[in-house]
Amino acid sequence: QSALTQPASLSGSPGQSITISCTGTSSDIGNQNLVSWYQQHPGKAPKLIIFEGTKRPSGVSHRFSASKSGNTASLTISGLQIDDESHYYCCSYAGGPMWVFGGGTQLTVL
Amino acid sequence: QLQLEESGPGLVKPSETLTLTCNVSGGSISDSSFYWGWIRQPPGKVLEWIGTVFYTGSTYYNPSLRSRVTISVDTSRNSFSLKLRSVTAADTAMYYCSRHARLNYFDYWGQGTLLTVSP
Repeated sequence: QSALTQPASLSGSPGQSITISCTGTSSDIGNQNLVSWYQQHPGKAPKLIIFEGTKRPSGVSHRFSASKSGNTASLTISGLQIDDESHYYCCSYAGGPMWVFGGGTQLTVL
Repeated sequence: QLQLEESGPGLVKPSETLTLTCNVSGGSISDSSFYWGWIRQPPGKVLEWIGTVFYTGSTYYNPSLRSRVTISVDTSRNSFSLKLRSVTAADTAMYYCSRHARLNYFDYWGQGTLLTVSP
């Protein structure tokens, strides 16, 4: 099972909105809405920011939102802040059962 | 607050068997609402799901690792463990344990333990 496809890097300015895409197949993302998203600062463990496609855990900023269209899931961060600079990973159930992560996106806030 | 903490040898030799343990505190590993998983991340690379266990001992493994992996649970110690056999340099990674909520997403993570495979 190949990793889900994410852009390797993105950048934005404080206050802007950015969207990170995560492309899979009809066997994973396209088959259900069980995508989760994680934020990982350098040297830290990943932190769950979106689960079951669109839901935010308690304590996660409302600036994080997510959606899905076909085989592609998307994470949108609005009102970019310096602290949003991080790696972001998507993850999807891929049948089997197994779970597959995306290749990760390095977000730079300029 | 649920906390997970990995422990392991840090360094193993090629062809040896790696054993890592995840101690869970602030919650019961026997809670039937949750599963427990292992995920790894080689230096500078992406996250890879290794496998997941339920408190009953039921397991799910990544097909690419299934022949070398065993995940078990010890409810008396509120912990679960990962055994990875015949390790090679490609197994060098940060290993994380996590709660696999609703067999769907990973909501709590340990801080990770770095495993290096070297002669």
